[in-house]
Amino acid sequence: AQTVTQSQPEMSVQEAETVTLSCTYDTSENNYYLFWYKQPPSRQMILVIRQEAYKQQNATENRFSVNFQKAAKSFSLKISDSQLGDTAMYFCAFMRGNNDMRFGAGTRLTVKP
Amino acid sequence: SQTIHQWPATLVQPVGSPLSLECTVEGTSNPNLYWYRQAAGRGLQLLFYSVGIGQISSEVPQNLSASRPQDRQFILSSKKLLLSDSGFYLCAWNPGTSADTQYFGPGTRLTVL
Repeated sequence: AQTVTQSQPEMSVQEAETVTLSCTYDTSENNYYLFWYKQPPSRQMILVIRQEAYKQQNATENRFSVNFQKAAKSFSLKISDSQLGDTAMYFCAFMRGNNDMRFGAGTRLTVKP
Repeated sequence: SQTIHQWPATLVQPVGSPLSLECTVEGTSNPNLYWYRQAAGRGLQLLFYSVGIGQISSEVPQNLSASRPQDRQFILSSKKLLLSDSGFYLCAWNPGTSADTQYFGPGTRLTVL
């Protein structure tokens, strides 16, 4: 079974600074997808970034980027120039091609003014 | 563009009462549909998914059931609610390629008293 581990239950960062959220996963699969979702206080799950395991290049979306280390089964999220609106729960998720998406327990990020 | 709706937004029900939560998707055809539950302070747990009308796969044995009476409608039901059914229920969809990103609805907060 696939498991997703987020070892940081809570983190904080000053506005405009950079923060990195950690995620590791366990799988014997070679082809899969990884995601970071953001859940603000409204509780709507919003896709932040997506990475396909067969791509070596790390995904980026504006201020958000990932460090994907396939051999180490690590998928960290870097948020640059943090903004107050980035305050949210962040979930790492793993998905195979069989509708089986597994989520980590989440990291609560607080951006301080 | 595609949108996903869930209702009701909040629900308070007594133990032993029935439940019906509805999810609809607009702007797409033949989506894969998913029901997740999120307990307080926890990650998401996949409950059911559907790849077509009348096709339901259950991930977790429980007090709940799901149905898909129309292509873009997904219903979560229970005949008799338990206290442990309390939580935040999220519906999600993807375009049908099983490894695609899932997009989430706004969720329903269910409290069973």
